[in-house]
Amino acid sequence: AQSVTQLDSHVSVSEGTPVLLRCNYSSSYSPSLFWYVQHPNKGLQLLLKYTSAATLVKGINGFEAEFKKSETSFHLTKPSAHMSDAAEYFCVVLIKAAGNKLTFGGGTRVLVKP
Amino acid sequence: KAGVTQTPRYLIKTRGQQVTLSCSPISGHRSVSWYQQTPGQGLQFLFEYFSETQRNKGNFPGRFSGRQFSNSRSEMNVSTLELGDSALYLCASSLEHGATEAFFGQGTRLTVV
Repeated sequence: AQSVTQLDSHVSVSEGTPVLLRCNYSSSYSPSLFWYVQHPNKGLQLLLKYTSAATLVKGINGFEAEFKKSETSFHLTKPSAHMSDAAEYFCVVLIKAAGNKLTFGGGTRVLVKP
Repeated sequence: KAGVTQTPRYLIKTRGQQVTLSCSPISGHRSVSWYQQTPGQGLQFLFEYFSETQRNKGNFPGRFSGRQFSNSRSEMNVSTLELGDSALYLCASSLEHGATEAFFGQGTRLTVV
């Protein structure tokens, strides 16, 4: 069975400093991996996705993530945090061979300090 | 084009009642999945419908059911509501079964009292 672990439940950064959100996955199959963001009282918005092409994936709003198979990781980064980045972020894995459902990590809540 | 539309946005129900939630996917999308989000359990997969057929099901009791219509709109039903069913229910729309990208609605927040 596949699983996703987000290593930090909360991350606090100052505006203008880098953001790092850590995600590890386990899967017996080649996964597709995603990062979604959820602002308060909103649905989930796709930030970026990895589907076995380039290992460094660029997303919206300046976010990017690197797929490292040897480390089974898919960490999300942004060079400079903005106040509008305050939200909850979810790392997600999809295994087509395992029924095609999305499996979510527990989420990381990001606080951006002025 | 319009995004994923979920109705209603908020619901308050009493224990023992039943509830029906609706989801209209993005035009042209034929796969609809449902997820439950709670503070304790996080986001959990309920089921997926494609071409009016349930294609996948999560680990939820039979009180949770769903269906999909020929226009791809989907409904989910929860019968005999329990306090623990209070959650944000999210619907995700995909082009096809097996598509690698899902678009989410804003959710229906259900409160059971």
